[in-house]
Amino acid sequence: AQTVTQSQPEMSVQEAETVTLSCTYDTSESDYYLFWYKQPPSRQMILVIRQEAYKQQNATENRFSVNFQKAAKSFSLKISDSQLGDAAMYFCASLETSGSRLTFGEGTQLTVNP
Amino acid sequence: NAGVTQTPKFQVLKTGQSMTLQCAQDMNHEYMSWYRQDPGMGLRLIHYSVGAGITDQGEVPNGYNVSRSTTEDFPLRLLSAAPSQTSVYFCASSYSRREIGHEQYFGPGTRLTVT
Repeated sequence: AQTVTQSQPEMSVQEAETVTLSCTYDTSESDYYLFWYKQPPSRQMILVIRQEAYKQQNATENRFSVNFQKAAKSFSLKISDSQLGDAAMYFCASLETSGSRLTFGEGTQLTVNP
Repeated sequence: NAGVTQTPKFQVLKTGQSMTLQCAQDMNHEYMSWYRQDPGMGLRLIHYSVGAGITDQGEVPNGYNVSRSTTEDFPLRLLSAAPSQTSVYFCASSYSRREIGHEQYFGPGTRLTVT
């Protein structure tokens, strides 16, 4: 069974600074995906970034990048040049390609201070 | 395309009442699923469907029923609501089970309170 753990219930960052959100996971499979989702106060789930386990290169999407450490089963999200609109709950999630469901972590509430 | 729609947005039930949360998608997606989100926890899968007529249980199925008579609709039924079912419910869909890793669309959520 998959597990995903986010050990930081809350984080804060100053506008324009960089913040890193942590995530660890466990899976018995070799083929899987990892995700970061953003949930603003509107409750809408927004996919931020996706990493395929077989790809060694870390995924990047504009100001968002990940540090994927497969051996350590670690998948952190770095947000550069933080903006007020980045304030949200962030969820880490995993998907075994043989499976049928996303497994989510507990979430990290990110506050961006002006 | 409207994407994934959910109705109602908010609902208050009394213990023991029944109701159906509606979910529809207009993208011809085969895979649809229901999650619940509780404070301090991530989303947990309740039930899912890989196509019309096919459903299966997720992580927390007790107290909920689903059916999939059409590709577009995937309603979630609470047969006898309990306070423990107070939560925010999300419906999600993707082209297929294998496409979950590529693109999964979430609905806006339904906030349910059971008193």
